[in-house]
Amino acid sequence: DTGVSQNPRHKITKRGQNVTFRCDPISEHNRLYWYRQTLGQGPEFLTYFQNEAQLEKSRLLSDRFSAERPKGSFSTLEIQRTEQGDSAMYLCASIPFEGEQYFGPGTRLTVT
Amino acid sequence: SQQGEEDPQALSIQEGENATMNCSYKTSINNLQWYRQNSGRGLVHLILIRSNEREKHSGRLRVTLDTSKKSSSLLITASRAADTASYFCATAHFGNEKLTFGTGTRLTIIP
Repeated sequence: DTGVSQNPRHKITKRGQNVTFRCDPISEHNRLYWYRQTLGQGPEFLTYFQNEAQLEKSRLLSDRFSAERPKGSFSTLEIQRTEQGDSAMYLCASIPFEGEQYFGPGTRLTVT
Repeated sequence: SQQGEEDPQALSIQEGENATMNCSYKTSINNLQWYRQNSGRGLVHLILIRSNEREKHSGRLRVTLDTSKKSSSLLITASRAADTASYFCATAHFGNEKLTFGTGTRLTIIP
């Protein structure tokens, strides 16, 4: 257990529905990252926050995706109008400022 | 997109043997990190090596970094069945520290 938690651990949804995932980082960590991992591939960067500010978004993050980190604490990742191609493991990680990233267990999304 | 590649993509060895995995990357980095992932689980950090370091040890792990060749290797000595997992290298960029992962090496230790 790294101290980073993610909920839910699994989510099955029908195409077209909206889903929201939550990440609770280690409390004193300033930076929070979201990654997406598809089967057989390494994780790919989606976006990151420094405190409450979203500083960078990957082009993988289409306009159907939105992320927030209110008050610089937990973060949420919402996907609107889900598509089958959104099926993946969504990973969250946090760091104080730099160094090793502490990953949560991930949320596995299946879009049917 | 992936930063680079790992070699081999899959590796099977007998328990007790040493396992070596290689990683190549494309751009300048702040540091390079190795992670382990058991099937369907989260990533576990193994070791971090900074761009001004050439070699680092942690227990049975030895990592080397050659910035001139943009490559790194991970050596696991005296392998155990519990080492069976996928191993990823990831490069951290200056400033934002976002990680760019390789494609991973799937290691199987045969008891």
